[in-house]
Amino acid sequence: AQSVTQPDIHITVSEGASLELRCNYSYGATPYLFWYVQSPGQGLQLLLKYFSGDTLVQGIKGFEAEFKRSQSSFNLRKPSVHWSDAAEYFCAVGASSAGGTSYGKLTFGQGTILTVHP
Amino acid sequence: DTAVSQTPKYLVTQMGNDKSIKCEQNLGHDTMYWYKQDSKKFLKIMFSYNNKELIINETVPNRFSPKSPDKAHLNLHINSLELGDSAVYFCASSQVHKEQYFGPGTRLTVT
Repeated sequence: AQSVTQPDIHITVSEGASLELRCNYSYGATPYLFWYVQSPGQGLQLLLKYFSGDTLVQGIKGFEAEFKRSQSSFNLRKPSVHWSDAAEYFCAVGASSAGGTSYGKLTFGQGTILTVHP
Repeated sequence: DTAVSQTPKYLVTQMGNDKSIKCEQNLGHDTMYWYKQDSKKFLKIMFSYNNKELIINETVPNRFSPKSPDKAHLNLHINSLELGDSAVYFCASSQVHKEQYFGPGTRLTVT
């Protein structure tokens, strides 16, 4: 069964500082990996995705993530955080093999709340 | 244009009532999903439909019944609502094995 762990429940950074949010996954094959962001009272917005190929993926709003198979990780990074980045961030793993009960299923981590200090 | 829309945005109802949440997507996707986000913000898939066919049915009480009249719509009907059903319900859509796009959510409060 697939699973995702986000070790940090809450992270606080100063505006302009760099950011790294951790994500570890468990999946039997090469996974599909995603980062979503949720602002209070809003839906989930896709930040970036990894399906295959280059292990460093670029997303929207200046975010990037790196897939490290050896560490089963897909950490999200941003070189300089803006106050508007304050939100909750979710890492998710999707089944890469067709068919079966996991068809299209996304499994989410528990989320990391990001607070940005001015 | 809203890609994935849900109605209503808020739903307050009493225990024992029956309610429905509607979802529509205009992205041309062939797969739609229902997720439940609990009070601790944990997101869990409930159902998935591909071309109107039920594909994923997680361990959800049978009081929850999804219905997909066509590829662009996936509704969720809940019978005999209980306090524990209070949550935010998200609809999503995708091409199969591609990224999922989420609706704005429906906050259900059962009193």
